[in-house]
Amino acid sequence: DSGVTQTPKHLITATGQRVTLRCSPRSGDLSVYWYQQSLDQGLQFLIQYYNGEERAKGNILERFSAQQFPDLHSELNLSSLELGDSALYFCASSGGSYNEQFFGPGTRLTVL
Amino acid sequence: ELKVEQNPLFLSMQEGKNYTIYCNYSTTSDRLYWYRQDPGKSLESLFVLLSNGAVKQEGRLMASLDTKARLSTLHITAAVHDLSATYFCAVVLDSNYQLIWGAGTKLIIKP
Repeated sequence: DSGVTQTPKHLITATGQRVTLRCSPRSGDLSVYWYQQSLDQGLQFLIQYYNGEERAKGNILERFSAQQFPDLHSELNLSSLELGDSALYFCASSGGSYNEQFFGPGTRLTVL
Repeated sequence: ELKVEQNPLFLSMQEGKNYTIYCNYSTTSDRLYWYRQDPGKSLESLFVLLSNGAVKQEGRLMASLDTKARLSTLHITAAVHDLSATYFCAVVLDSNYQLIWGAGTKLIIKP
């Protein structure tokens, strides 16, 4: 158990809908990262937050947005969903001397 | 632009054999990570390599880093089926500790 929690574990929805994925980082970690992993694909970095502020942006679509709240949990909002958005979405947090990223269990999103 | 290349991308091997996965990166970085992912599961941190010549070992896995050659290796000794997984390397891009990821090496170890 990495200490990073994500909810929900599974999400099934329809095209055009909007969903919110939630992540709680490890205790004490200020950085949160979001990744997308499609079937048999590598990791696509989406966005990073540090202590409530956006720090880095990757290949995040305009239909997607994220935020980090004062209690450091983060939410990833996906809107106008398309079939191709079906994927595993991981949250990771980092901190400490090595800034190692610790991954949550992921949310599996299926868009029908 | 920092690029990270892993090879091979797919490896099928017999139990008991040794093999090495390579991770090359294109620009200077002082930190490299190795992760393991089982199918449908999350990523688990294996090693953090912080300096040139760093070597770390855990069981049958040994990772090393050569920052001058911009190369890291993950060596598997006397492979066992339980090591079947996808292995990713990742390199720190900048002071935000954003990671640039390799494509992953899918390792299948046959009994």
